Amino acid sequence: GESVGLHLPTLSVQEGDNSIINCAYSNSASDYFIWYKQESGKGPQFIIDIRSNMDKRQGQRVTVLLNKTVKHLSLQIAATQPGDSAVYFCAERSAQAGTALIFGKGTTLSVSS
Amino acid sequence: KAGVTQTPRYLIKTRGQQVTLSCSPISGHRSVSWYQQTPGQGLQFLFEYFSETQRNKGNFPGRFSGRQFSNSRSEMNVSTLELGDSALYLCASSLDVSSDEQFFGPGTRLTVL
Repeated sequence: GESVGLHLPTLSVQEGDNSIINCAYSNSASDYFIWYKQESGKGPQFIIDIRSNMDKRQGQRVTVLLNKTVKHLSLQIAATQPGDSAVYFCAERSAQAGTALIFGKGTTLSVSS
Repeated sequence: KAGVTQTPRYLIKTRGQQVTLSCSPISGHRSVSWYQQTPGQGLQFLFEYFSETQRNKGNFPGRFSGRQFSNSRSEMNVSTLELGDSALYLCASSLDVSSDEQFFGPGTRLTVL
């Protein structure tokens, strides 16, 4: 079916480490991908996005990589900080589904100092 | 600029009742989408409104409905509540239907007893 999933439900890292959160998607027609961060008691917060005509996009301390061959998306967080502790979701969108986002289950990132 | 606001933040209802949730998008945003978030199913798309018209609808029963007003504010209604409707209901706004980025509100936590 058309769904986006994450490889690991939890990820624990030390402060200062680099974190990599992975996501697999199944809809080859998806043309837009987003990573969201959700802290407890809050709604998802946009982190970074990437279109299907790109392989890599960088933001501040974050990088998203897209591998369309194996339908894989990853979020890299450099120098992870305690404030990065949250649940991270990847989401996809396809022209077929209009503007509806299809979310993965989420990965809980825990950063210890 | 104020973010997306949702009211109420918390709600407790009993089975069989109906509920109305409200969402005020970011000023100038004309598209509003609703999502349901549960531990089991994750984030699932409910529907999207633009210019007071429903543009897209997810796979939810007819008990779930919504509407959008001329000022872009949106409401969603759930009738004949079931225990399984307990969830965090999130509203997201975007500039228009062609915009990529969706900004989420804090959500309304609905508990059905």
